[in-house]
Amino acid sequence: DIQMTQSPPSLSASVGDRVTITCRASQGIRNDLGWYQQKPGKAPKRLIYAASSLQSGVPSRFSGSGSGTEFALTISSLQPEDFATYYCLQHNSYPYTFGQGTKLETK
Amino acid sequence: EVQLVESGGGLVQPGGSLRLSCAASGFTFSDHYMDWVRQAPGKGLEWVGRTRNRAAGYSTEYAASVKGRFSISRDDSKNSLYLQMSSLKTEDTAVYYCCVKIGLTNDYWGQGTLVTVSS
Repeated sequence: DIQMTQSPPSLSASVGDRVTITCRASQGIRNDLGWYQQKPGKAPKRLIYAASSLQSGVPSRFSGSGSGTEFALTISSLQPEDFATYYCLQHNSYPYTFGQGTKLETK
Repeated sequence: EVQLVESGGGLVQPGGSLRLSCAASGFTFSDHYMDWVRQAPGKGLEWVGRTRNRAAGYSTEYAASVKGRFSISRDDSKNSLYLQMSSLKTEDTAVYYCCVKIGLTNDYWGQGTLVTVSS
C-alpha cells in the first residue's frame, strides 16, 4: 500500500499568512493526488485535483504543486473561512490512501 | 444537481451486520464508479472501497481493514449504491460517505451516515 505522510499535523496561523502543507508518498504516484478541505460536521470538499489543478469555484489563493512523491498545498493569503482540516488523497493505486490531515487553526 | 444521500446508519453490536444505502441523482449513475469513505469520530478520512460500472464488470476494490467483511454493490435500476457490513468491530464506528467523481474535474460527496458499533 502507498503511505501518504502529511505534515504538519497542525498549524497555527493568522489571517493574511501564507501557509504550506505537504504530503509525501511512499512511492511515486505521478500526479494522481487531490487536496481536500473539511470543516466540522461537513463532508470534505475537493480543492485541487491532478496535484495542481484548481477545482472550479475554489478561490485562486489555493494552489497545489508537485509530482511523483512530493506534493504541497499552498494558501497564499489566509482568509477566516480557510481555518479547517486539510487532507491529501492518492488515487494512483489501490487501496487509495489519505494523508493523516492538517488542522489549520487561528493563532 | 448531483445529490448523494446516505441512509441506514445506526447502532449495532460488535459482530453484527448493517447495510448502508446511497441514493444518487442528478447524473447518469450507471456510467460511474462509486466509492465509500469513512471517518471515525475525531479521526481522519479512510477510503473504504469502490465499485466500478457495468462496463468494468461491476468489479470492486477494498481497503485491507474491511476486506472480507464488507461488500459493495449497486443497483443501477434504482440509482443506488450499497455497503453491506458484517462482523462489525468497534473500530468500524464512523461516519460513512458515498462519493463519485464525474469526469476529471467534478467530485461529489454525500452528507454521511453514522454507524456506531457498541455493546
